[in-house]
Amino acid sequence: GQNIDQPTEMTATEGAIVQINCTYQTSGFNGLFWYQQHAGEAPTFLSYNVLDGLEEKGRFSSFLSRSKGYSYLLLKELQMKDSASYLCAVSRGGSYIPTFGRGTSLIVHP
Amino acid sequence: KAGVTQTPRYLIKTRGQQVTLSCSPISGHRSVSWYQQTPGQGLQFLFEYFSETQRNKGNFPGRFSGRQFSNSRSEMNVSTLELGDSALYLCASSLIGGNTDTQYFGPGTRLTVL
Repeated sequence: GQNIDQPTEMTATEGAIVQINCTYQTSGFNGLFWYQQHAGEAPTFLSYNVLDGLEEKGRFSSFLSRSKGYSYLLLKELQMKDSASYLCAVSRGGSYIPTFGRGTSLIVHP
Repeated sequence: KAGVTQTPRYLIKTRGQQVTLSCSPISGHRSVSWYQQTPGQGLQFLFEYFSETQRNKGNFPGRFSGRQFSNSRSEMNVSTLELGDSALYLCASSLIGGNTDTQYFGPGTRLTVL
């Protein structure tokens, strides 16, 4: 089976940096997705990590450590519009479908 | 290129009724997956279709079913609705549905069962 853990909720200040962690336990790990979901809207793709290390895309970066079963999403220069739920999802060999964590609700305040 | 579309966006039904939801994937995408999202359980996988065949299935009762048409459009059906079926139903499409294939989600259908 698979076990994916993320904090339920985080708060941060506009302009700051926040790190959202995701730990997982799974066999046959392939890669890890991050999605952003604003309230009442569909999840949108942010990143997909297969190899260890940090991948940067503008204000958002995603890190993966396969040996530790650990990933994080780093959001810099936070804006109010970054208030959303952030979902990590694990894909593994032999399965066509990723398994989603319950998501981390990020609240950005002025 | 148009995104994933789902109809209807909102539905209100009563217990015991049945409902059909529709999903049109991004043009060229052949894999369509369905998810149920609730505040308590998060995003839970229902089933995935590829080339008109159900390829993967989650742990939901037989009341939940689906199908895919030759143009890759998909429908899901829930029979004998229960209060606990109230949720946001999301469909996602991808090119071939492989485990490295990015899924693109539709806006969802909000189902309320009274």
